[in-house]
Amino acid sequence: QSVLTQPPSVSAAPGQKVTISCSGSSSNIGNNYVSWYQQLPGTAPKLLIYENNKRPSGIPDRFSGSKSGTSATLGITGLQTGDEADYYCGTWDSSLSAGGPHWVFGGGTKLTVL
Amino acid sequence: QVQLVESGGGLVKPGGSLRLSCAASGFTFSDYYMSWIRQAPGKGLEWVSYISSSSSYTNYADSVKGRFTISRDNAKNSLYLQMNSLRAEDTAVYYCAREGPNSSVDYWGQGTLVTVSS
Repeated sequence: QSVLTQPPSVSAAPGQKVTISCSGSSSNIGNNYVSWYQQLPGTAPKLLIYENNKRPSGIPDRFSGSKSGTSATLGITGLQTGDEADYYCGTWDSSLSAGGPHWVFGGGTKLTVL
Repeated sequence: QVQLVESGGGLVKPGGSLRLSCAASGFTFSDYYMSWIRQAPGKGLEWVSYISSSSSYTNYADSVKGRFTISRDNAKNSLYLQMNSLRAEDTAVYYCAREGPNSSVDYWGQGTLVTVSS
């Protein structure tokens, strides 16, 4: 299983708001920035949020991120059918496993817009 | 614009080898750490390996350590992954990815599929 814990699925109606949680530990989320990725069906992941709450250019402000302690949250408001995708959180892990700092990801959350 | 284009995937028998390549363009390749990240069919993302900008530092996931080798050629703007002793559980889409300056993976390639099966 994944080092970071995400709910397998979330759903909401168009126009509504949804949040996706990501839980980790002090060796990863607790001491490192969290980023979020959107993977539309059949495509590569795309950066959605970096440094916990910042959006790359071109990402609408309907997408937001936050972090508290060893957990992070992705929020999406004004849901659109085009938001249906898998969402992943990711961060560095500073534990001794893997011989040094390494990337860890959540298991992914499938968003369904009903 | 940043582009990462993987190649080299395919069908290989268990115990076999494969070398993946990633051609980078649109940025100063030698300035960035690079990673390989994979995704098994229907599964989530799994970091495989990364390499520093000058190749002085590499690291690997425990699942591939001793079997995979990451390398780069900054003169050719290219990243590589040599995969030996392949197993069925290595079957996945392999993504070439750039480590951004802001603690994120800011660009991903389109991926190349590696299938390990007899």
